[in-house]
Amino acid sequence: QKEVEQNSGPLSVPEGAIASLNCTYSDRGSQSFFWYRQYSGKSPELIMSIYSNGDKEDGRFTAQLNKASQYVSLLIRDSQPSDSATYLCALEWGFQKLVFGTGTRLLVSP
Amino acid sequence: DTGVSQNPRHKITKRGQNVTFRCDPISEHNRLYWYRQTLGQGPEFLTYFQNEAQLEKSRLLSDRFSAERPKGSFSTLEIQRTEQGDSAMYLCASSLARDVHGYTFGSGTRLTVV
Repeated sequence: QKEVEQNSGPLSVPEGAIASLNCTYSDRGSQSFFWYRQYSGKSPELIMSIYSNGDKEDGRFTAQLNKASQYVSLLIRDSQPSDSATYLCALEWGFQKLVFGTGTRLLVSP
Repeated sequence: DTGVSQNPRHKITKRGQNVTFRCDPISEHNRLYWYRQTLGQGPEFLTYFQNEAQLEKSRLLSDRFSAERPKGSFSTLEIQRTEQGDSAMYLCASSLARDVHGYTFGSGTRLTVV
């Protein structure tokens, strides 16, 4: 059983702060990991992918992967109210099928 | 290329009725996926196609559910004898088999069974 665990939140941060979102997974064989952002009532939007241990940066977003400890994290720098959403962590299972966590709700207050 | 298109956006149906959803993938994509998302949960894999072949079905896809992808283009997902537990967002995504960078979902079809 491949599982992805996330704290449901909400995680509340003030505008301009760094938001840190975490995810742990159970399958040591997983190689590919993704972060999706989902606004209320909308479909998930892919924001980051990461495959190797370490950090991957894209604009204000940094994904971190530690396969030995089986966790993935997403840092959002200079958080904006528009970043308020649910962030879903996913791992790839088999050929491009994804297993999702339940998501962490982020609230950025002005 | 306008991305993955799903219709209808919303569907309200009475319990026991049949419903059908349509997904039009990005034109050159040979893989197509269906997921279901209930409130407070992440999307759950239902099934996927490579071209017209349905290669895998989740245990979540009971015998009331059927999916097709004739000619490897658009796909339909039909739910027969709907139940209140079928109320969810049904999401479709597509990709090329060689893609490894994740995929983009369509806008989804929100089903409400009353």
